[in-house]
Amino acid sequence: NAGVTQTPKFQVLKTGQSMTLQCAQDMNHNSMYWYRQDPGMGLRLIYYSASEGTTDKGEVPNGYNVSRLNKREFSLRLESAAPSQTSVYFCASSGMGPLADTQYFGPGTRLTVL
Amino acid sequence: GENVEQHPSTLSVQEGDSAVIKCTYSDSASNYFPWYKQELGKRPQLIIDIRSNVGEKKDQRIAVTLNKTAKHFSLHITETQPEDSAVYFCAASPGFQKLVFGTGTRLLVSP
Repeated sequence: NAGVTQTPKFQVLKTGQSMTLQCAQDMNHNSMYWYRQDPGMGLRLIYYSASEGTTDKGEVPNGYNVSRLNKREFSLRLESAAPSQTSVYFCASSGMGPLADTQYFGPGTRLTVL
Repeated sequence: GENVEQHPSTLSVQEGDSAVIKCTYSDSASNYFPWYKQELGKRPQLIIDIRSNVGEKKDQRIAVTLNKTAKHFSLHITETQPEDSAVYFCAASPGFQKLVFGTGTRLLVSP
């Protein structure tokens, strides 16, 4: 099992450019999440998907869109990148049953917007 | 919504000493409290968690305690080793499988 995978690992964008961050999990988890991590601010939830076909806003959704393509894949799109979106982005997933709230993280995407 | 505060922001100890990191939460409905360890440039990794029906949980050198009345929980690491050096995050789950994270504690263990 690869667990949670993310692509790309690094990306540099110019202000106004768009891009999509990809995330996939092979643990048959129902729920998937996108976080951003900034120095001194911990991890903040951008969007999440409790199940295939549903998405909901988290704490900091402005400037982002998401797509739950199928049960395995959850993508995050920046339509018009801004320097304030420079951050490390983590995808996570969680399963079902008594351990449904335990989240497992991907390796992250380091994004720089110039 | 839920708010999680974490202290201290940095903690320096000598190898072999104990380290304690404390978190408080605001939402009394929160019922799940994980702790993650993040090494430099790596992903957060779950090291221990506790649910609201338990007051204490231990796994070798690490333990977590929960005081629901006071709405605080703590991570205890005994016999610290240099490889324990990392950033530690606490989190609380107010439901719907969402987590709200603290701002992290950078632990430095000196040989």
